[in-house]
Amino acid sequence: KAGVTQTPRYLIKTRGQQVTLSCSPISGHRSVSWYQQTPGQGLQFLFEYFSETQRNKGNFPGRFSGRQFSNSRSEMNVSTLELGDSALYLCASSLAAGGPEKLFFGSGTQLSVL
Amino acid sequence: GDSVTQMEGPVTLSEEAFLTINCTYTATGYPSLFWYVQYPGEGLQLLLKATKADDKGSNKGFEATYRKETTSFHLEKGSVQVSDSAVYFCALSESGGGADGLTFGKGTHLIIQP
Repeated sequence: KAGVTQTPRYLIKTRGQQVTLSCSPISGHRSVSWYQQTPGQGLQFLFEYFSETQRNKGNFPGRFSGRQFSNSRSEMNVSTLELGDSALYLCASSLAAGGPEKLFFGSGTQLSVL
Repeated sequence: GDSVTQMEGPVTLSEEAFLTINCTYTATGYPSLFWYVQYPGEGLQLLLKATKADDKGSNKGFEATYRKETTSFHLEKGSVQVSDSAVYFCALSESGGGADGLTFGKGTHLIIQP
């Protein structure tokens, strides 16, 4: 059974640009969560989607957005990139919404903003 | 709000040494507690969990006991191996499904020397 797949693995962007990251959950999983990992702030919750609906959102500005498609694949978008957005972005999937006990994480997308 | 505090390290030990990684938390409700492990270049993997006071989670020789009176969830292993070298994250989720996702500590980098 394939795990959580995140693409691309690495991204380099410049300030002011926008970026889209993709996450394919484990087959049959309907919930997708996104986290940002930085050396200074550690791991922080961005948002969770279930059945194409955003269930909840962490404390991030509106530049960070996401969506989920009918096949449960999810994308997150960051507009008007800032240097501080450089981070590892992790996606996690689970069968049901709000089920942290059953989260499976991908390897992440490493975003560098120059 | 909720928070998790853990020693950041790096923690360097010799093979077969005893390991303790301290973790304390603050939460408004009755959280579930977790330890995740991140190996180089990979996403997070759930190591163990405990959902109520006095529960002991265990996996791969690691153990942690949910201590409500001291708000702690310290990770222990009796004899570490080189393959245990990784970053370990303590995390919590409030009861009711973790509406705000997981709250993570900053992570503890563990280095085991042969």
